[in-house]
Amino acid sequence: GQNIDQPTEMTATEGAIVQINCTYQTSGFNGLFWYQQHAGEAPTFLSYNVLDGLEEKGRFSSFLSRSKGYSYLLLKELQMKDSASYLCAVRDNTNAGKSTFGDGTTLTVKP
Amino acid sequence: GAGVSQSPSNKVTEKGKDVELRCDPISGHTALYWYRQSLGQGLEFLIYFQGNSAPDKSGLPSDRFSAERTGGSVSTLTIQRTQQEDSAVYLCASSPGTGANVLTFGAGSRLTVL
Repeated sequence: GQNIDQPTEMTATEGAIVQINCTYQTSGFNGLFWYQQHAGEAPTFLSYNVLDGLEEKGRFSSFLSRSKGYSYLLLKELQMKDSASYLCAVRDNTNAGKSTFGDGTTLTVKP
Repeated sequence: GAGVSQSPSNKVTEKGKDVELRCDPISGHTALYWYRQSLGQGLEFLIYFQGNSAPDKSGLPSDRFSAERTGGSVSTLTIQRTQQEDSAVYLCASSPGTGANVLTFGAGSRLTVL
């Protein structure tokens, strides 16, 4: 099974940088995803890591260390619209790719 | 279709009634998931369909919950004898079943059990 931990809440200032951490324990790993979910809306895909290292996509970057069971999502040049919940999800390689989600980190961006 | 469609978007029912929630995934996506999300909480896995394989039902909370996926496309989640604790948003997602297998979510069905 999967055990995924991420902080419940974070607050940051507009224009700043914030790092959201995710640690996981898994019986079989086949990729880690970050999704963004605005209040009252469905989650949308942000990033995917399957190999160690940093994946950069505009203002957002995601890092993975498989040996440490650790990932982070880095958001640069924060904007008010980045206020949302950020969900870490791990895909299982023992069950044809089932994804299990953490409880999410609610990020509040303040002026 | 272009996206994942779910219906109804909102359902209010009385305790003890049965409800059916429908999900129409993206055409060609072989994998389909149902998750449940209570207010302010994360996504709770319910059931997973992948192609013609037997579904993974390990997340269904009780035998009152069941799901079917007909013809490898549309799925229906049925909750029998609803309880107040079943109140939540039920999210359906589909994915290609290969490659990165990114999930695309529907807008959800909000269930309120009175």
